Amino acid sequence: AQTVTQSQPEMSVQEAETVTLSCTYDTSESDYYLFWYKQPPSRQMILVIRQEAYKQQNATENRFSVNFQKAAKSFSLKISDSQLGDAAMYFCAHKSRGATNKLIFGTGTLLAVQP
Amino acid sequence: NAGVMQNPRHLVRRRGQEARLRCSPMKGHSHVYWYRQLPEEGLKFMVYLQKENIIDESGMPKERFSAEFPKEGPSILRIQQVVRGDSAAYFCASSETFSSEKLFFGSGTQLSVL
Repeated sequence: AQTVTQSQPEMSVQEAETVTLSCTYDTSESDYYLFWYKQPPSRQMILVIRQEAYKQQNATENRFSVNFQKAAKSFSLKISDSQLGDAAMYFCAHKSRGATNKLIFGTGTLLAVQP
Repeated sequence: NAGVMQNPRHLVRRRGQEARLRCSPMKGHSHVYWYRQLPEEGLKFMVYLQKENIIDESGMPKERFSAEFPKEGPSILRIQQVVRGDSAAYFCASSETFSSEKLFFGSGTQLSVL
């Protein structure tokens, strides 16, 4: 069975600095999707970025980028030029390609942004 | 284009009562998923429904929990005889197709059982 592990319960970053959130996963599949979701205090789950496992190129969305290491089963999120609005809980998630949207989530990392 | 709408946002029930949580998917979406988030945990899949059909309920507790997605109206997650351990945030998500990686979440219903 797939598992997703986020080993950093909490992280803190200074405004305008860069922070990296870690995520590792375990799967026997070769084709799948990985996601980072942001959950601010409003509780809304917001998709930040997604990566297709068959693509070697790391996904990038503005200030957000990932470091996808397929062999190591690692999927870290880098936030550049951190802003106060980035403060939230961040969840890493896995989904099998072609399967239903039965996402497997990690336990989350709470990111604080210091002014 | 309204997103996924869940109501109520907060629901308080006493032990033994019933809880009914509603979810209206995004316009054009016929695939609905329910997830539960216990305190200090990530979201866990409960059930996947299409219109009038339950496709996958492998994450749903066998007793007291049921879900439906009728031809007309919202999807309903029903919890009978609630217990304190049911206290959690319940999220609904929808997608256009069963395998689309574009999953849209609602803001959740926070259920508190007294």
